Amino acid sequence: GQQLNQSPQSMFIQEGEDVSMNCTSSSIFNTWLWYKQDPGEGPVLLIALYKAGELTSNGRLTAQFGITRKDSFLNISASIPSDVGIYFCAGANYTGANSKLTFGKGITLSVRP
Amino acid sequence: SQTIHQWPATLVQPVGSPLSLECTVEGTSNPNLYWYRQAAGRGLQLLFYSVGIGQISSEVPQNLSASRPQDRQFILSSKKLLLSDSGFYLCAWSSTNPPGQGIDTQYFGPGTRLTVL
Repeated sequence: GQQLNQSPQSMFIQEGEDVSMNCTSSSIFNTWLWYKQDPGEGPVLLIALYKAGELTSNGRLTAQFGITRKDSFLNISASIPSDVGIYFCAGANYTGANSKLTFGKGITLSVRP
Repeated sequence: SQTIHQWPATLVQPVGSPLSLECTVEGTSNPNLYWYRQAAGRGLQLLFYSVGIGQISSEVPQNLSASRPQDRQFILSSKKLLLSDSGFYLCAWSSTNPPGQGIDTQYFGPGTRLTVL
């Protein structure tokens, strides 16, 4: 089946630093999504990408849909303590009624003050 | 705007007891609905999804079942809980109207933490 690869499993950065996370797949996706999950809460959608090559920003977050449609990256600039959490990428191919997401295993981000 | 609710937020149940978790969505009609389980705070495993009332697809064989008695209500159940059923259960919805771009985007509820003792 389809799998998304996110690595490393954990990242540790200093407050104020920029960080980049990558997500790769052996399969093509038509949609790439990035979620953030705080402890004990449901994942929250950060950025959605629907077009190959698309670059989208949401505040200090920037994500790109890879031109090959097999990868995506998420950049966080000028990190702050509240950026701590688990970041998941997800991919999908629209198939009409049965639309399902394939998730990566997530990257746990720690930010040192 | 659309909102998704899950009830209860936390549950502690003995092995062998029944389970019923509820998910409701407001502000949209005919959504796709999903149940996920997340173990140890990582990795989302899709358990069930539904494209309409009474229509349930199971992704993995297990001790759980799902039902969709109303358009915006999704129930996760078990007749007898196992220790391995412990985890964080997440409900999600996605829009089916209009079809096309954005239909795959899923929005998650706050989750239910289930501990089976």
